[in-house]
Amino acid sequence: SQTIHQWPATLVQPVGSPLSLECTVEGTSNPNLYWYRQAAGRGLQLLFYSVGIGQISSEVPQNLSASRPQDRQFILSSKKLLLSDSGFYLCAWQGKNQETQYFGPGTRLLVL
Amino acid sequence: GDSVTQMEGPVTLSEEAFLTINCTYTATGYPSLFWYVQYPGEGLQLLLKATKADDKGSNKGFEATYRKETTSFHLEKGSVQVSDSAVYFCAGRDSGGSNYKLTFGKGTLLTVNP
Repeated sequence: SQTIHQWPATLVQPVGSPLSLECTVEGTSNPNLYWYRQAAGRGLQLLFYSVGIGQISSEVPQNLSASRPQDRQFILSSKKLLLSDSGFYLCAWQGKNQETQYFGPGTRLLVL
Repeated sequence: GDSVTQMEGPVTLSEEAFLTINCTYTATGYPSLFWYVQYPGEGLQLLLKATKADDKGSNKGFEATYRKETTSFHLEKGSVQVSDSAVYFCAGRDSGGSNYKLTFGKGTLLTVNP
């Protein structure tokens, strides 16, 4: 069966520090991968998606970037965090030609 | 562009009450529609889905029917439990556009009191 992992689960970082969040998927190959952000009390915002290694599409201009160095690994990064980067970050995967996206457990980021 | 409109809530019910959360979707084609649930502190889980008109998705006592005329996909449950307390998201993927992306509603917080 397929599983999706995210780490860390919780992160507290100072403003201006770098960020690296990791997402890995097991039990499938060549998935579509997604990063979402959920700000407190708000809905889901799609940040990036990837249909293959090295292929990244950005949905909104921002302080963040994404990379996909391996087929089942998706990384969300920032060089300098802002207060507004605080939120709950969710990674998701979807099989090619399949209907459903499956979500990881999320990473809660607090920027102080 | 595509959009999902759902009842924002919050919704507070007593145990065994009837639940309805409205959702409508605007798209160029006929989308596949989904309901996801997010329990406190967790990621989203797929609750149910429907891929074509008149389909009914069901799971854990929840139901939703895809109404083509209004592109609606209202979530219902006949008797809610305290354990149903969560945030519920409606989502859709337009069959006429990119199948890579889902469009989510803003979520509805449901609290069920004993």
